[in-house]
Amino acid sequence: EAQVTQNPRYLITVTGKKLTVTCSQNMNHEYMSWYRQDPGLGLRQIYYSMNVEVTDKGDVPEGYKVSRKEKRNFPLILESPSPNQTSLYFCASSFSDRVAGYTFGSGTRLTVV
Amino acid sequence: GESVGLHLPTLSVQEGDNSIINCAYSNSASDYFIWYKQESGKGPQFIIDIRSNMDKRQGQRVTVLLNKTVKHLSLQIAATQPGDSAVYFCAERPGGYNKLIFGAGTRLAVHP
Repeated sequence: EAQVTQNPRYLITVTGKKLTVTCSQNMNHEYMSWYRQDPGLGLRQIYYSMNVEVTDKGDVPEGYKVSRKEKRNFPLILESPSPNQTSLYFCASSFSDRVAGYTFGSGTRLTVV
Repeated sequence: GESVGLHLPTLSVQEGDNSIINCAYSNSASDYFIWYKQESGKGPQFIIDIRSNMDKRQGQRVTVLLNKTVKHLSLQIAATQPGDSAVYFCAERPGGYNKLIFGAGTRLAVHP
């Protein structure tokens, strides 16, 4: 089944403790992206990647890092999480940024206390 | 459901009626638009898209209308069913940029 898989689905952590949210897609998509979703704000882009080893900042990159060492994986790294990063996170991928819409993962609910 | 829906405008319809969800987009240079459906506990799911050189596109039970003059997008759902209950987002792609800009969403509640 073609899909985008995120892990974990739910995570509660403490301020300052580094964490990684994994994202993997099995569709050979070139383009991958991370979004955060907050009440009343819709989805806002954190980082995106056009292809392996090519990443760039979205609208809200502060406090986040990403890497794209392999085509299928695009992990989101929070080096020192803070409470304002409590949010619902989605990974998405598409064959090309110019073609059709994304396929989204099921989301990761992160709470930083 | 996810707390993301708490502050959203809500459209309530009776089962079997037609629904119209509206969206105002922001960038006159946007060349591509998408409607997504997000059910509770799930990621957004592609419904239908339209390019800026079109003003109407139809899918199965759904129609998207684009009015570039007033930067307005609408999603029409025919014969709305309980399974259509969800949050609906419009998204625009600013021409030349590698991202989608999402609206805040509208919750559709279908009553029997």
